[in-house]
Amino acid sequence: ETGVTQSPTHLIKTRGQQVTLRCSSQSGHNTVSWYQQALGQGPQFIFQYYREEENGRGNFPPRFSGLQFPNYSSELNVNALELDDSALYLCASSPRDRDSYEQYFGPGTRLTVT
Amino acid sequence: GESVGLHLPTLSVQEGDNSIINCAYSNSASDYFIWYKQESGKGPQFIIDIRSNMDKRQGQRVTVLLNKTVKHLSLQIAATQPGDSAVYFCAETRSAAGNKLTFGGGTRVLVKP
Repeated sequence: ETGVTQSPTHLIKTRGQQVTLRCSSQSGHNTVSWYQQALGQGPQFIFQYYREEENGRGNFPPRFSGLQFPNYSSELNVNALELDDSALYLCASSPRDRDSYEQYFGPGTRLTVT
Repeated sequence: GESVGLHLPTLSVQEGDNSIINCAYSNSASDYFIWYKQESGKGPQFIIDIRSNMDKRQGQRVTVLLNKTVKHLSLQIAATQPGDSAVYFCAETRSAAGNKLTFGGGTRVLVKP
């Protein structure tokens, strides 16, 4: 196990609703990245947080937003949910200040939008 | 645009045989590559990585080969075991992109007893 935890494990929401997903990074890691993984596809980068600020964003609309807290944990918020938002949402943490690009993934939150 | 892709979506291999998973990337600026293994219901698990200044790196039962001339990456698994059954992803990043990873679509490896 990587030490990265995510909650909840599964979630079912209705189109138009809002959702908040949570991630606790591995001890000592100050960078958190979020990825969306549709069924049968590779993860797609949403955004990254480093020292509580957004540090890079993928091709996702503004209704995808996030936060990082002083303890380096993070939240992913999605507003106005659409059916295509149904996916596995992965959080990954990494020690940004070290010479390594290795990221440690959590188990993910499975979001279903109906 | 940037893309990292895989040639074979599914690979069936006999237990004990060697497995080879291939990956092509299009961004010549990529300087770091990672192979991840993802089992059902779990997040991707780091297997091995390689920097662009290397062409081969070995781990425990795994070897990654990098051919920058043709932008090709491969993962070799020696003596494949039932526990190796999973989906394998290659991912790339660039120093300038921080830790943003670009993943390919994945190859499912099925190990037959």
